[in-house]
Amino acid sequence: LAKTTQPISMDSYEGQEVNITCSHNNIATNDYITWYQQFPSQGPRFIIQGYKTKVTNEVASLFIPADRKSSTLSLPRVSLSDTAVYYCLVGPPYSSASKIIFGSGTRLSIRP
Amino acid sequence: GAGVSQTPSNKVTEKGKYVELRCDPISGHTALYWYRQSLGQGPEFLIYFQGTGAADDSGLPNDRFFAVRPEGSVSTLKIQRTERGDSAVYLCASSLEDSMNTEAFFGQGTRLTVV
Repeated sequence: LAKTTQPISMDSYEGQEVNITCSHNNIATNDYITWYQQFPSQGPRFIIQGYKTKVTNEVASLFIPADRKSSTLSLPRVSLSDTAVYYCLVGPPYSSASKIIFGSGTRLSIRP
Repeated sequence: GAGVSQTPSNKVTEKGKYVELRCDPISGHTALYWYRQSLGQGPEFLIYFQGTGAADDSGLPNDRFFAVRPEGSVSTLKIQRTERGDSAVYLCASSLEDSMNTEAFFGQGTRLTVV
């Protein structure tokens, strides 16, 4: 399973765009990139998943360059409620009967 | 229910005791995962079920840990002879595996404290 590297922590302010980059140099051909969000005392929550180029949903955008060795989660106009830990995961899609491996995540703190 | 349910939400036990943690996945989800999470760390994979069988139990730390899912729905994580190092939040997740891209839904976790 591809290992991921992401910043331990990031700080930003309300209303700003936040970009969290994850490195996954050993990503395999059939691996997808998935991001989860975790608030204190809660289980992780799926944010977005992608394979290549750009994916956008109502919460975030995911940018994946052509070589797929990194990815960037973009949170537009963050608010205080976006303060959480964000995990980048790389692995086969769940239908491939595979386990999901989490790294240490990025602790994002949003200030007023 | 609407989401993954884990019971109890908190469990305090004495060192050496046996504990069972229960997970009710989302109805119809064939895949079920157990993780444990220590303070400040990401979730650590323990075991993954596909239906009734354990497809991957490589994350179980030792033979004191065991999990079952006899009818392919509810799962129980069992820990024998608990140690203080077993204290953590135990998370359960389930997913529907009939599409290429699908998300895993996590419960709120069971906070286990071994004293």
